[in-house]
Amino acid sequence: DPKIIQKPKYLVAVTGSEKILICEQYLGHNAMYWYRQSAKKPLEFMFSYSYQKLMDNQTASSRFQPQSSKKNHLDLQITALKPDDSATYFCASSQEGTGSERLFFGHGTKLSVL
Amino acid sequence: GEQVEQLPSILRVQEGSSASINCSYEDSASNYFPWYKQEPGENPKLIIDIRSNMERKQIQELIVLLDKKAKRFSLHITDTQPGDSAMYFCAASSYNQGKLIFGQGTKLSIKP
Repeated sequence: DPKIIQKPKYLVAVTGSEKILICEQYLGHNAMYWYRQSAKKPLEFMFSYSYQKLMDNQTASSRFQPQSSKKNHLDLQITALKPDDSATYFCASSQEGTGSERLFFGHGTKLSVL
Repeated sequence: GEQVEQLPSILRVQEGSSASINCSYEDSASNYFPWYKQEPGENPKLIIDIRSNMERKQIQELIVLLDKKAKRFSLHITDTQPGDSAMYFCAASSYNQGKLIFGQGTKLSIKP
């Protein structure tokens, strides 16, 4: 019974289109994150949110926009998709977002951009 | 920001022997060092972690060593089994960073 739910599990998109990756966590955590995993850069940090506020953004492109509608939700909107965006996107959560605490990952959304 | 180097990238060991993976970090303020195991098609799962107030931690066949002076930490898997075959990632963070920075990963294969 997964406590961090990511939807969809697989996503195929056309270059130039826009997609939203969904993440909900039921661990009662106050911090949520997005990481990206590709062959070039395994487990690359993208964003962190704590109590629904953006804490850190290491994504150079504004095409990636996190959206937090509820404390346990952190979606990722990606616009103007490029083939280089193809990767598995992992949502994660931790208790407070201090950094020195255990991080738990969802099962990921595998994005393929054609 | 923090950078974590992980070696080797590929490791093959005989079943029953030990496997060692080494990581180094740059930020002397880093104080939390977890290890994750990722099987194909799965998410990374936390297997063991150590904080800077410890030098050694063991959970069953997993041993983690931390050398703060050298800014190095390592994972040792004793008596390896086929089920230990996977990708392993080390990570580091500090209280102020608010995020884990991961190493590049080690693909461990256990030879029968």
